Amino acid sequence: DTGVSQDPRHKITKRGQNVTFRCDPISEHNRLYWYRQTLGQGPEFLTYFQNEAQLEKSRLLSDRFSAERPKGSFSTLEIQRTEQGDSAMYLCASSSSRTSGGQLYEQYFGPGTRLTVT
Amino acid sequence: DQQVKQNSPSLSVQEGRISILNCDYTNSMFDYFLWYKKYPAEGPTFLISISSIKDKNEDGRFTVFLNKSAKHLSLHIVPSQPGDSAVYFCAASDTGTASKLTFGTGTRLQVTL
Repeated sequence: DTGVSQDPRHKITKRGQNVTFRCDPISEHNRLYWYRQTLGQGPEFLTYFQNEAQLEKSRLLSDRFSAERPKGSFSTLEIQRTEQGDSAMYLCASSSSRTSGGQLYEQYFGPGTRLTVT
Repeated sequence: DQQVKQNSPSLSVQEGRISILNCDYTNSMFDYFLWYKKYPAEGPTFLISISSIKDKNEDGRFTVFLNKSAKHLSLHIVPSQPGDSAVYFCAASDTGTASKLTFGTGTRLQVTL
């Protein structure tokens, strides 16, 4: 178990550019979540996949945001036409929908991608 | 509206003493609660959780208490150690839906020597 990994760890981009982040979940986890965290706040839910199906999207996820999980393994989050308000830490988490010793609902987070839009 | 609230932004505790971090929630549909610890520039690390069918769960130095009638939970750390210094987030989930987590704003714990 190598944990959840995210790439890149840091991204600086100019306003108006597109960016894409990648998340590799824990291998046996079939659920994958994206969250966003800004300074002084807790993580806020963006979207969630079970296997390759995107089952829920937050109203925080504007039309400029798109997420995919094409083969039910890794996921990408793309932000088009970035704005300064998109600057945040983007966190990916994974969990299993299969009960295992009461650990059904714990989500395990990656290190995050810090996005700075200049 | 903030459905999960951590009203204390910071807490300072002496090494060896008990740290008590508090969390309140408003959504009565929440039935699973978790505590995460976060160091700067890292993702949150899962600490301990509790289901609404219980009122207490222990794991080593960490104990979480749940008072459903008051919609309140607390995390006790005994004894506190300098390595416990971090930001602690309370999170809640309605397991009947997508199990997405709703987080509080965090409490920064500093354990002093």
